[in-house]
Amino acid sequence: DTAVSQTPKYLVTQMGNDKSIKCEQNLGHDTMYWYKQDSKKFLKIMFSYNNKELIINETVPNRFSPKSPDKAHLNLHINSLELGDSAVYFCASSGRDRASYEQYFGPGTRLTVT
Amino acid sequence: KQEVTQIPAALSVPEGENLVLNCSFTDSAIYNLQWFRQDPGKGLTSLLLIQSSQREQTSGRLNASLDKSSGRSTLYIAASQPGDSATYLCAYNQAGTALIFGKGTTLSVSS
Repeated sequence: DTAVSQTPKYLVTQMGNDKSIKCEQNLGHDTMYWYKQDSKKFLKIMFSYNNKELIINETVPNRFSPKSPDKAHLNLHINSLELGDSAVYFCASSGRDRASYEQYFGPGTRLTVT
Repeated sequence: KQEVTQIPAALSVPEGENLVLNCSFTDSAIYNLQWFRQDPGKGLTSLLLIQSSQREQTSGRLNASLDKSSGRSTLYIAASQPGDSATYLCAYNQAGTALIFGKGTTLSVSS
């Protein structure tokens, strides 16, 4: 039983295309996140959703738009892809009480823009 | 500025050694601190979580400590094995917020 799943695992696309990455968690968590791991392996937060409401939006280009149809899903849509968007994107989730603030990560989606 | 520093950036040891990975952070309002393991091309596996009211957590051969006053955490790995080879990431958050990550320590354990 996968706790946090992402699809696809690999995504290769050309500049200018629009693509989406899907994330689902079956942990009953209220908060979901998208992180980006760049070519230097540095992980940084992009977005966070708590119960379908956006609560963090770091300085991410507006070509990136998170969408949460329900609290178990947080999808990431990217418009007009650029070479610099190539990275690994991780979805994560956490619960509401202190112990549950522990974050659980998905396997990642490796995006390559050519 | 919220920042996490991990030292060393890379470490190579022979099998069987005990080792310590260091993590320092600048934020005094830390709520939870997590240590993760990342294998090449893989996702993140949570190893240990220490709440700000705790001083350490243990899981098997791993022990993580937290000293909020000095802004430091250490991950102690006992009797290292080749299977421990991976990148170890330290991260903290405030209540219900996103994690702030360090750049990791890449560990290589030779047999």
